[in-house]
Amino acid sequence: QKEVEQNSGPLSVPEGAIASLNCTYSDRGSQSFFWYRQYSGKSPELIMFIYSNGDKEDGRFTAQLNKASQYVSLLIRDSQPSDSATYLCASVGSNFGNEKLTFGTGTRLTIIP
Amino acid sequence: EPEVTQTPSHQVTQMGQEVILRCVPISNHLYFYWYRQILGQKVEFLVSFYNNEISEKSEIFDDQFSVERPDGSNFTLKIRSTKLEDSAMYFCASSDAGPGHNSPLHFGNGTRLTVT
Repeated sequence: QKEVEQNSGPLSVPEGAIASLNCTYSDRGSQSFFWYRQYSGKSPELIMFIYSNGDKEDGRFTAQLNKASQYVSLLIRDSQPSDSATYLCASVGSNFGNEKLTFGTGTRLTIIP
Repeated sequence: EPEVTQTPSHQVTQMGQEVILRCVPISNHLYFYWYRQILGQKVEFLVSFYNNEISEKSEIFDDQFSVERPDGSNFTLKIRSTKLEDSAMYFCASSDAGPGHNSPLHFGNGTRLTVT
């Protein structure tokens, strides 16, 4: 069973600080990784995705991928109370033609004003 | 911005009844999905649909479940005989080229199914 693992939290971060969210995956062949944000009772909304080793920045968000360590992270700079949500990490499987996302359990983030 | 729309937003049904959840994916997308999320749990894959047929399904997607794309716009999930454990939020999603080609899934707002 190919798994995506996340610390469920809750993770509490003061407003204005950097929030760091982590994810590991078991399928060494996974190529692409997606970060979604989910507010309580709402649907997942895409933050960003990454498929190359290294960092990818988009505004206050930076995704980091280390395929050797099978590790993905999301950094949120200048955290705002509106960033309080559950953050879902998802991967695409490595088998040919696989076009589904497998989600982790999510990390609940709380930004403290 | 184009979006995935789902109806109804909330469906209450009695155990053993059939339900149909409806979705209108983004119009130029080719890949369609149903996921579900039981309260407090992870988002779980049910089924993917491409080129008018199921491309993959999970163990959850047993004979009680079926999907259909009856016309060029709608994508439906049918549960033939609902069980209490089918109570969950059901999300429809679509993608233009599939996440394997770095094309993300776009989710609808979900249908909350309550089986009593």
